[in-house]
Amino acid sequence: GAGVSQSPRYKVAKRGQDVALRCDPISGHVSLFWYQQALGQGPEFLTYFQNEAQLDKSGLPSDRFFAERPEGSVSTLKIQRTQQEDSAVYLCASSLVRELRYEQYFGPGTRLTVT
Amino acid sequence: TQLLEQSPQFLSIQEGENLTVYCNSSSVFSSLQWYRQEPGEGPVLLVTVVTGGEVKKLKRLTFQFGDARKDSSLHITAAQPGDTGLYLCAGLTGTASKLTFGTGTRLQVTL
Repeated sequence: GAGVSQSPRYKVAKRGQDVALRCDPISGHVSLFWYQQALGQGPEFLTYFQNEAQLDKSGLPSDRFFAERPEGSVSTLKIQRTQQEDSAVYLCASSLVRELRYEQYFGPGTRLTVT
Repeated sequence: TQLLEQSPQFLSIQEGENLTVYCNSSSVFSSLQWYRQEPGEGPVLLVTVVTGGEVKKLKRLTFQFGDARKDSSLHITAAQPGDTGLYLCAGLTGTASKLTFGTGTRLQVTL
């Protein structure tokens, strides 16, 4: 079946622009996660949804970052007034069950470059 | 801030060699996972270890969880070019709702 998909795959934004990154999780997956991955580093947690509820947003680096999953399926990560330090790959992952030690399936990521 | 330190950061070896990657933390994890990530793709889960001292084997890969559940290792026997990639450990604490990823080990296996 289809895996996690993300769009766009690449995004170039000028500093100060707003961007919206989309994640389509695997159908039926309850949990959805967003991560930020800097070049050559491991992913860092941003936020977590269980269905439509955002249960943990402790990793969002500033109030310029906002995520939503209004119908418990597709999720959007929005970054307002982008800054150069926001340049990174943004990964989305979904998981079938609520228990977090089960496998998370990752999408290919969106590479954001802020110029 | 990443609480899981991996070593080495980079490893370039020839086909057929053996290698070990280490993942260390001062924190205790309820479970630990290893992922491999290839360029332009998301990480793919290789294994989950849950019990202190647990050893799991996946073909030529051997994973061990430390007795105190603070560290882990990945050993690859007779490395092949297809093993090339970024290896990531990730820990889950009992009270957290997120995976904490390690700093990553980039492995290159050449012919």
